[in-house]
Amino acid sequence: SQQGEEDPQALSIQEGENATMNCSYKTSINNLQWYRQNSGRGLVHLILIRSNEREKHSGRLRVTLDTSKKSSSLLITASRAADTASYFCATDARASGTYKYIFGTGTRLKVLA
Amino acid sequence: NAGVTQTPKFQVLKTGQSMTLQCAQDMNHEYMSWYRQDPGMGLRLIHYSVGAGITDQGEVPNGYNVSRSTTEDFPLRLLSAAPSQTSVYFCASSYEGSPLHFGNGTRLTVT
Repeated sequence: SQQGEEDPQALSIQEGENATMNCSYKTSINNLQWYRQNSGRGLVHLILIRSNEREKHSGRLRVTLDTSKKSSSLLITASRAADTASYFCATDARASGTYKYIFGTGTRLKVLA
Repeated sequence: NAGVTQTPKFQVLKTGQSMTLQCAQDMNHEYMSWYRQDPGMGLRLIHYSVGAGITDQGEVPNGYNVSRSTTEDFPLRLLSAAPSQTSVYFCASSYEGSPLHFGNGTRLTVT
């Protein structure tokens, strides 16, 4: 099964509202990253948060990380129609001295104008 | 810098054919990886490499081979294409602890 599970799977909100999506993972990590993907396009990096950080901001984005619960959340404030996309978390799953980046299942966000 | 370059952008194969998807990066990243993304789904890790000469399996490695003879290149080989391998394939690279840089993807259809 995938390292990251995200919820909700889909989210529909009105423009101006806040959107929150959550990511849970299974193994210890050094960092967790959030990406956005517009339909049919490649992935765009949003934020990277390290395991010793609890919260990080970038513009209208706020990411929290709780390593004790192995979970993270992405908050988009004052959403815009242009925020409509799929959002994925990725963790650097570590084992046996190596690391690999595993993606969650994603949240499809639709912002209605 | 070109970043991560994937070729081809589109490919149609018949069942049983083999082919190689190319991925090259010019950022001297030690980490490179291949993902597949099926419609409406997340990215699943196929194979990855943490340096030249080192490769390992990801979540869905069956039916694919990789090699890493240089830091720059990480080709993905489909040994005998199957319709279940119809997908969009993404190559990505990074330094440890840094964001992943993605190629633009290869859309593969197996008939």
